[in-house]
Amino acid sequence: ELKVEQNPLFLSMQEEKNYTIYCNYSTTSDRLYWYRQDPGKSLESLFVLLSNGAVKQEGRLMASLDTKARLSTLHITAAVHDLSATYFCAVDIWSGSRLTFGEGTQLTVNP
Amino acid sequence: DGGITQSPKYLFRKEGQNVTLSCEQNLNHDAMYWYRQDPGQGLRLIYYSQIVNDFQKGDIAEGYSVSREKKESFPLTVTSAQKNPTAFYLCASKTGASNQPQHFGDGTRLSIL
Repeated sequence: ELKVEQNPLFLSMQEEKNYTIYCNYSTTSDRLYWYRQDPGKSLESLFVLLSNGAVKQEGRLMASLDTKARLSTLHITAAVHDLSATYFCAVDIWSGSRLTFGEGTQLTVNP
Repeated sequence: DGGITQSPKYLFRKEGQNVTLSCEQNLNHDAMYWYRQDPGQGLRLIYYSQIVNDFQKGDIAEGYSVSREKKESFPLTVTSAQKNPTAFYLCASKTGASNQPQHFGDGTRLSIL
């Protein structure tokens, strides 16, 4: 059974600080996705990582994938309040047919 | 604009009642999915369909049923057998290309009366 674990589950940051969210998974996969969810809202796709060593960046967020370690990271640089949300990683081991989600990391950026 | 439309936004269910949640997409996506989200938790897969007239159970299918008679539509019925249906339900769709993410609708919040 595939397990996807995110760490930490809750993260309170100050503005302008850097931090990393970790996503570990238990079964070999080379497809991993990051999503953002604002309270009471739907999920928004952030990054699609499709191979070992893949790195994607958008604004203050950077995601990477290490398939050998079964680990993805989401790095936040110089956090701002607008980044406050819950971030989910999701892993695909069924060749594109379905995803297993982590529990989510609830990020709060304080002034 | 292309997208996924879920309706209604809020739904209330009485004891012993079946209710149906609608999900329609105009993205021409082949695959569609239903997820359940409980407060403070991740998404759990209920059912998914990769092609019209075919669907598979996800991790928590008991008490739910689906149909996929048209490419654009994937309704979810929450039956009276689902004893704890209060949750946020999200529908998603995806093109067949493996390098594309799933796209999500705005969700339906289901509560028990």
